[in-house]
Amino acid sequence: EAGVVQSPRYKIIEKKQPVAFWCNPISGHNTLYWYRQNLGQGPELLIRYENEEAVDDSQLPKDRFSAERLKGVDSTLKIQPAELGDSAVYLCASSLVRERNEQFFGPGTRLTVL
Amino acid sequence: QKEVEQNSGPLSVPEGAIASLNCTYSDRGSQSFFWYRQYSGKSPELIMSIYSNGDKEDGRFTAQLNKASQYVSLLIRDSQPSDSATYLCATETSGSRLTFGEGTQLTVNP
Repeated sequence: EAGVVQSPRYKIIEKKQPVAFWCNPISGHNTLYWYRQNLGQGPELLIRYENEEAVDDSQLPKDRFSAERLKGVDSTLKIQPAELGDSAVYLCASSLVRERNEQFFGPGTRLTVL
Repeated sequence: QKEVEQNSGPLSVPEGAIASLNCTYSDRGSQSFFWYRQYSGKSPELIMSIYSNGDKEDGRFTAQLNKASQYVSLLIRDSQPSDSATYLCATETSGSRLTFGEGTQLTVNP
């Protein structure tokens, strides 16, 4: 069974530039999560999708961050414009059975904003 | 108070010893608890989940949960150098959100 796929793995951009991350969850997983992990800290949830619906986006900085999950499979997370403080690893995770909520992470995208 | 607190590291144990990792949480409504292992430069990998009070064993790993004390632990028996990683404790809080601790860095010395 293929795991969660993310791209790109690394991204270096200048501040104020836009950037987008892509995620393909484990086949059949209806719940998809985007997390941000800063160095030395645990992941923090940005947004959670159940199928196509964003059911928890309370921690998404909506002034510059946006996300979509068309057709309830792949998802894209966008930052526009990026700020220096956005440098972090962006992780995508997916889960199958909501009751157990075992989440499986992709390899992440390491973003560096210069 | 942080929602999930882990014992401060780094933790260093000799090969073959038992490594004990501890975690406390503040939300009494938490029902699901997870341990993730994260190697340097890699993403978190789920190694244990526990939902009811008591012990759950999987190979060399044992997770322990005490909801009354709001305490979760992970024991690694016969520790190997390959177990050297950061271990993240996570709880499922309201709305199915996972809240993570900051992690405990474990080093197993050959």
